[in-house]
Amino acid sequence: AQSVAQPEDQVNVAEGNPLTVKCTYSVSGNPYLFWYVQYPNRGLQFLLKYITGDNLVKGSYGFEAEFNKSQTSFHLKKPSALVSDSALYFCAVRDRGGGKSTFGDGTTLTVKP
Amino acid sequence: EPEVTQTPSHQVTQMGQEVILRCVPISNHLYFYWYRQILGQKVEFLVSFYNNEISEKSEIFDDQFSVERPDGSNFTLKIRSTKLEDSAMYFCASSLGEGGETQYFGPGTRLLVL
Repeated sequence: AQSVAQPEDQVNVAEGNPLTVKCTYSVSGNPYLFWYVQYPNRGLQFLLKYITGDNLVKGSYGFEAEFNKSQTSFHLKKPSALVSDSALYFCAVRDRGGGKSTFGDGTTLTVKP
Repeated sequence: EPEVTQTPSHQVTQMGQEVILRCVPISNHLYFYWYRQILGQKVEFLVSFYNNEISEKSEIFDDQFSVERPDGSNFTLKIRSTKLEDSAMYFCASSLGEGGETQYFGPGTRLLVL
């Protein structure tokens, strides 16, 4: 069975500071990993994904994530946070054979001016 | 940019009533999904659909639920006899393929069962 953990319910950063939203996963074999963002009363917007190759993945809006196989982690990062980045962030995992995505509980990111 | 659309955006129904949630996936996508998110909780997989049949479903997706692609563009989720605990945001998603293909989500239908 696949599972995702986002250990922090809430992350607070000041605008302009770097941000990290943590994600660890458990899946048999090599996973596909995704980050989505959800703004209030909106659907899930795709940010980035790891499929294979370079462990550092770059995505939308200046976000990036690093796949670490030994630590089974896929932390989301951004060098300089914006107030508009404040939202709910979900990490998701999918195994190589299927389409079902398993999501983490989500992390609320608040960027203060 | 193509996007997944869902109707209605909100639906209020009485317990025991049938509801149909509608989705129009991205036109060239082949795989379709329903997920739900109970208020304040994580997004949960319900069902995946490919080639006019269910390819995978979760424990949540019991006999009260059904999916259909009636006309080649719409993808529907039917709940036959709604329960209070069915109140949630329901998201439709579509993708070109499985595995590493990105699933694109619609804006959701907020279902409230009274």
